[in-house]
Amino acid sequence: SQQGEEDPQALSIQEGENATMNCSYKTSINNLQWYRQNSGRGLVHLILIRSNEREKHSGRLRVTLDTSKKSSSLLITASRAADTASYFCATAGTYKYIFGTGTRLKVLA
Amino acid sequence: DTAVSQTPKYLVTQMGNDKSIKCEQNLGHDTMYWYKQDSKKFLKIMFSYNNKELIINETVPNRFSPKSPDKAHLNLHINSLELGDSAVYFCASSQDDRASQYFGPGTRLLVL
Repeated sequence: SQQGEEDPQALSIQEGENATMNCSYKTSINNLQWYRQNSGRGLVHLILIRSNEREKHSGRLRVTLDTSKKSSSLLITASRAADTASYFCATAGTYKYIFGTGTRLKVLA
Repeated sequence: DTAVSQTPKYLVTQMGNDKSIKCEQNLGHDTMYWYKQDSKKFLKIMFSYNNKELIINETVPNRFSPKSPDKAHLNLHINSLELGDSAVYFCASSQDDRASQYFGPGTRLLVL
């Protein structure tokens, strides 16, 4: 299977804490993207990091990419209850995106 | 205005029936996709279209037939529905084949 792996599968933290999710992939990539999915909704794009970038920030999100290890991480700082969702990484190839298995994040108020 | 819309939102039907799901995007994107998300939340690409042309068919049974009448629409017709087709189907679009994708709200299909 080409499916990427994410860990942890589930993460439960207190509001205000940081949350870190990891993604490993198998193929060479053009870029890697992170998405959020709230329960019962479609996916929402969070951040895109190109294969020649190592780190990218967007608000409370920080993404790193290590192409030599075929891995990426998403850090959400100062988490809020509204961050409760599933988070997916996706690698972009030619007209084909391969999604990871997702991390279910629960932020407790 | 909704960027990517799908209809219907819910679809409950009997095995063996034929059904269609419609998707429209108003973002002016060239590329559209269909995904299937199973009960374990695995999201798998089914089809990719670029400018109305099929680019990727990820070994999807030929009971599934996508149709793109124009760049803004990508519909999915499913013949002879089976129990295993029960899932959430998402339509998505992007400016090109590596850009960020915009997803529709999903169609929850339940085959009885």
